[in-house]
Formats: sequence, structure tokens, C-alpha cells
Amino acid sequence: KAGVTQTPRYLIKTRGQQVTLSCSPISGHRSVSWYQQTPGQGLQFLFEYFSETQRNKGNFPGRFSGRQFSNSRSEMNVSTLELGDSALYLCASSLVPSGSSYEQYFGPGTRLTVT
Amino acid sequence: EDQVTQSPEALRLQEGESSSLNCSYTVSGLRGLFWYRQDPGKGPEFLFTLYSAGEEKEKERLKATLTKKESFLHITAPKPEDSATYLCAVRAFYGGSQGNLIFGKGTKLSVKP
Repeated sequence: KAGVTQTPRYLIKTRGQQVTLSCSPISGHRSVSWYQQTPGQGLQFLFEYFSETQRNKGNFPGRFSGRQFSNSRSEMNVSTLELGDSALYLCASSLVPSGSSYEQYFGPGTRLTVT
Repeated sequence: EDQVTQSPEALRLQEGESSSLNCSYTVSGLRGLFWYRQDPGKGPEFLFTLYSAGEEKEKERLKATLTKKESFLHITAPKPEDSATYLCAVRAFYGGSQGNLIFGKGTKLSVKP
């Protein structure tokens, strides 16, 4: 069974631009969560989607948004990029929504660099 | 505030030298403690889930244990290929709401031949 895939793997953007990242979950998984990983803050939860609905959101500004499609694929968008948005963005999929005890499986991440 | 603290931040071992990594947590109702391994430039790889105090799980040279306040990841006779960052995460129960994963900062393990 194929794992979680994320595209693109690497991205370089300029301050003020916007970016869209994509995630395809493991087949059969309906929950997708997004995390930001930086050396200073570690892994921080962004948001979770299940059945095309946002179920949970972390403490990030409104510039960070996401959506989920009927095939469970998800996208996240960051508008008006700032230097501090440079990070590894990880997508994780799960069989059912968080709040249960099911584990999440992570993709390889998208490395975003903002210059 | 829910919190996860991992120690040490970094650990250097000789091949075959057994040791333990610590994950202490404070959450309002634990709904699972998860261990992941992360190699440089890659996403975290799932290792174990522990649900209740006293539970233990093993996989090859790794053994995870759980108490009411902390978890240990024991590494027996490590090999260089065990070098990675080990992440601990908890999922808390928020009165019926969804519980996202709360991660520690990780322990970077280096095993020298």
C-alpha cells in the first residue's frame, strides 16, 4: 500500500507570495492533518480535515488555511509569506479523525524556503 | 497546559551500548502516547502507540514503556542504523473535542561503530 505523498518536495518562494502544498493520504484514510516543523519549535499542529470539514485548528494566523477534497486529498495554503514561514510542512493521514487512538502516518514533507 | 518534554536532547552511544530515552508529559487525560523515528529530511516514521500505564511494546532493538507521567524508549545493543531523532507525542482528550498530537522536541541519537 502506498504511503502518504506530498508535492512538491521542495519550494522556494519570496516574501509576500502565496503557496499551495498538496497531500494525498494513504488509500482508505479519511483524516488528514498538517504540521509545521522548525528547528526551534519542533512539530506544531496546523489543522485537521475529515470528510472535507476542518475538525481542529492549531494556533496559527489566518494566513494558513487548508481544504480537503471528496477523495480525501488535501491542500494547505499560506498567503503573504513571511521569512518565519520557512519550515518543513508535514502531512499525516489516519484512518479516522484524531480524538481516537489511531496512529497517524506521515508523508516525507515539503521543504519551504522563503527568501 | 498540555506539554511533552523529551530528554536528553542529544545522545551519543557506541555500538552495543544500551540506553534509554525519556518522554515526560502533562496532559488532561491521555488518549495515547506515540513514538516516532525521524531521519534527516524525511517525515516521522511511526514506531509504537501506548495507551495505559504499565503497557510495554517491543520492536527489534526498541522497547517502549509507559507510566502515568512518562514513557521510556529503551534501545538494546544499538547499531549505527538506529541513529535518528526519536519523537514522542501525546494525544489528549478534551472533553469530547478532537485531540491533535502534541510533540516533544525529540532526542537526537547517534550511534558510533
